[in-house]
Amino acid sequence: EDKVVQSPLSLVVHEGDTVTLNCSYEVTNFRSLLWYKQEKKAPTFLFMLTSSGIEKKSGRLSSILDKKELFSILNITATQTGDSAIYLCAAFVLDTGRRALTFGSGTRLQVQP
Amino acid sequence: AAGVIQSPRHLIKEKRETATLKCYPIPRHDTVYWYQQGPGQDPQFLISFYEKMQSDKGSIPDRFSAQQFSDYHSELNMSSLELGDSALYFCASSLRTLRDEQYFGPGTRLTVT
Repeated sequence: EDKVVQSPLSLVVHEGDTVTLNCSYEVTNFRSLLWYKQEKKAPTFLFMLTSSGIEKKSGRLSSILDKKELFSILNITATQTGDSAIYLCAAFVLDTGRRALTFGSGTRLQVQP
Repeated sequence: AAGVIQSPRHLIKEKRETATLKCYPIPRHDTVYWYQQGPGQDPQFLISFYEKMQSDKGSIPDRFSAQQFSDYHSELNMSSLELGDSALYFCASSLRTLRDEQYFGPGTRLTVT
């Protein structure tokens, strides 16, 4: 059974801290790893990773994939209160008849002023 | 930029009633996905459509059906509603050629009483 595991489940930090969120996956027919930010509503797309070792960066957020060790990390530097959200990791699998995202349970990040 | 539109945003139904949720994908996106997110849970894939045909199927109950129309909008029909159907229902859209990169709508919060 496909499995995506995120850690930690929740995290409380102070503004200005740097955080690293982890995502490991165990899926068949893996194609890509996606990160989303969810704030009480729809998951907002952050990154899609398909190749190992290539860092994707957007402002203070960055992410990288290791396809050999089957994990990805999401880094947020100089955190702000607006970064408080649930961060979801999802693996896109290419099983015949089931080409869709399999999500982890998310990491709840709370950034305190 | 235009995003995925879902309606209604909130819906309250009684047990055994039916509900219809609508989704309008991002313009030029040809693939639509439905996900169900229960309280405190990660989104679970239900079903997807491409070019008005069912593409893939996840954990969609037999009481639910869905279709995609010629304008690419999709409807999720839910019958004989149960208390356990209370959840956030997300629609996501993508280009078939880049189906991993899915963009989510704001969701419909269904409450079954």
